[in-house]
Amino acid sequence: AQSVSQHNHHVILSEAASLELGCNYSYGGTVNLFWYVQYPGQHLQLLLKYFSGDPLVKGIKGFEAEFIKSKFSFNLRKPSVQWSDTAEYFCAVSVYNQGGKLIFGQGTELSVKP
Amino acid sequence: DTAVSQTPKYLVTQMGNDKSIKCEQNLGHDTMYWYKQDSKKFLKIMFSYNNKELIINETVPNRFSPKSPDKAHLNLHINSLELGDSAVYFCASSPSSGTGELFFGEGSRLTVL
Repeated sequence: AQSVSQHNHHVILSEAASLELGCNYSYGGTVNLFWYVQYPGQHLQLLLKYFSGDPLVKGIKGFEAEFIKSKFSFNLRKPSVQWSDTAEYFCAVSVYNQGGKLIFGQGTELSVKP
Repeated sequence: DTAVSQTPKYLVTQMGNDKSIKCEQNLGHDTMYWYKQDSKKFLKIMFSYNNKELIINETVPNRFSPKSPDKAHLNLHINSLELGDSAVYFCASSPSSGTGELFFGEGSRLTVL
């Protein structure tokens, strides 16, 4: 069965620090990859997505992610975090021909100290 | 205008009761989903409908019954509520059933006492 693993449960950073959140998935076929963000008390919003092409994708609010196929990884990065980035971050995978079903990682809680 | 809206946002009820959560999307999408987020914030798909047809039905107890009267609406009815049903239920929609790019509602927090 496909699964998604996020390396960190809770990350605490100071403002202006750099961020990297790890994500690995287990599936050998064609996948679409996503990062979603859930701000406190809010719904999930799409941060960025990878379908094909350039493995380095840029999303909203200065986030980017790199797809490394050989490592089954899709890590999220931001060079300089802000207090407003405090949120829960979810990596997710959808497998081709499975009706768009998203398989989510466990989530990483990011706390940014002002 | 809210793209994917759910009602109610909060629901507190007793064990054994039956309750429904409604979802509507005004994005013109063909596919809608229900996801459950547990107390550890883990998200798991429950159901998916494409143009009123059920296409994904995960291993969910049959006390949960989705209904899609048209492609803009996907409701979730839960019979004989149990303590373990307490969670946040998210509705989502997608322009097609294949990509996995979803637009989520704000969630409905169900608390079973």
